Amino acid sequence: SQKIEQNSEALNIQEGKTATLTCNYTNYSPAYLQWYRQDPGRGPVFLLLIRENEKEKRKERLKVTFDTTLKQSLFHITASQPADSATYLCALEGYGGSQGNLIFGKGTKLSVKP
Amino acid sequence: NAGVTQTPKFRVLKTGQSMTLLCAQDMNHEYMYWYRQDPGMGLRLIHYSVGEGTTAKGEVPDGYNVSRLKKQNFLLGLESAAPSQTSVYFCASSIGENQPQHFGDGTRLSIL
Repeated sequence: SQKIEQNSEALNIQEGKTATLTCNYTNYSPAYLQWYRQDPGRGPVFLLLIRENEKEKRKERLKVTFDTTLKQSLFHITASQPADSATYLCALEGYGGSQGNLIFGKGTKLSVKP
Repeated sequence: NAGVTQTPKFRVLKTGQSMTLLCAQDMNHEYMYWYRQDPGMGLRLIHYSVGEGTTAKGEVPDGYNVSRLKKQNFLLGLESAAPSQTSVYFCASSIGENQPQHFGDGTRLSIL
């Protein structure tokens, strides 16, 4: 079955640095991938969607890459701020016939220290 | 614009009791989803709906039932609650397939 891994449970960085989060997947080739942010006690909030024919996508300080050869997505936050501290979830389109359902990774908890 | 609203926010049940979780969205979305989130497990899809009157099973459907009688509402039912169903339940909606999902803030359910 398809498998998705966010290979860091937690990431601690200094304010102003670039945070890079990794999402790896195996056993299939999704047509798209999404990234969400989740704050404690809240539901996930959509950040970015990238399709298999897009290598990179940007939104303000956020950048997502999608390497279908490596089966990997990288999520970057440049000039990080303490307010960026949250858990970030990677989600992939489910395997064929899933009607667009998403499979979520377990998340990476990012802490940005002042 | 409220987005996705879940009620109740918290609930404690005894084993064997039943209850219904309500999800309402005001964005006219076709697709709606119910997930559960457990420590170390991530979000797992319970049931989903691709339109009014339709429902389908997700990854972990056992012990749950759903109904989508109105486009804006998606109900999740537990007929006989079990301690293994202690979790945080999230509802989400989307315009359609392959689109971003909008989540509610969850229902925290404890079953004793």
